[in-house]
Amino acid sequence: AQRVTQPEKLLSVFKGAPVELKCNYSYSGSPELFWYVQYSRQRLQLLLRHISRESIKGFTADLNKGETSFHLKKPFAQEEDSAMYYCALSGNTGNQFYFGTGTSLTVIP
Amino acid sequence: KAGVTQTPRYLIKTRGQQVTLSCSPISGHRSVSWYQQTPGQGLQFLFEYFSETQRNKGNFPGRFSGRQFSNSRSEMNVSTLELGDSALYLCASSLGGRQPQHFGDGTRLSIL
Repeated sequence: AQRVTQPEKLLSVFKGAPVELKCNYSYSGSPELFWYVQYSRQRLQLLLRHISRESIKGFTADLNKGETSFHLKKPFAQEEDSAMYYCALSGNTGNQFYFGTGTSLTVIP
Repeated sequence: KAGVTQTPRYLIKTRGQQVTLSCSPISGHRSVSWYQQTPGQGLQFLFEYFSETQRNKGNFPGRFSGRQFSNSRSEMNVSTLELGDSALYLCASSLGGRQPQHFGDGTRLSIL
């Protein structure tokens, strides 16, 4: 069963517009959620994790256990935000990460 | 601290051959995971090793195997290569538990 769902494969927004990348998950225990980002020609890297409750590069994500969602948001998109974004879940044991299929974000100048 | 290093960066093989990919984790990281990344499927989990023990395995055929050495370096082997094995193979290391994974650049495997 798929554990992490990112419904949008492609997302385009204009520079300065708000952006929201959706992530829904299914897991019976207490998962830990992450967002990873892959910029062009760079390796996949951690953007943020829900347990840190921090804002990275203007992005925030709130874990909504009721809706089993972990959407990534930024109030004003920048061109440098164009990248591939992956939502990931770590289960109780921590020995496996489940990744979504990714959302390709394009910020239009 | 040096990041995760994967070698080689590129490989071209033909059907039926076998291949070994290598991954050197970040110093101090004992958990190493392998993923197959393809455009349509995203990141598919292959297996995870911790202190030389395979703790978890994804839904891949037995042609895909791996191992981890006492220095935490890991290798992945694919035997009897098929065209569908063409992909970017990513290695990620972490301290273990639910700590974030740190990825290498990957090995791009092309099967002719």
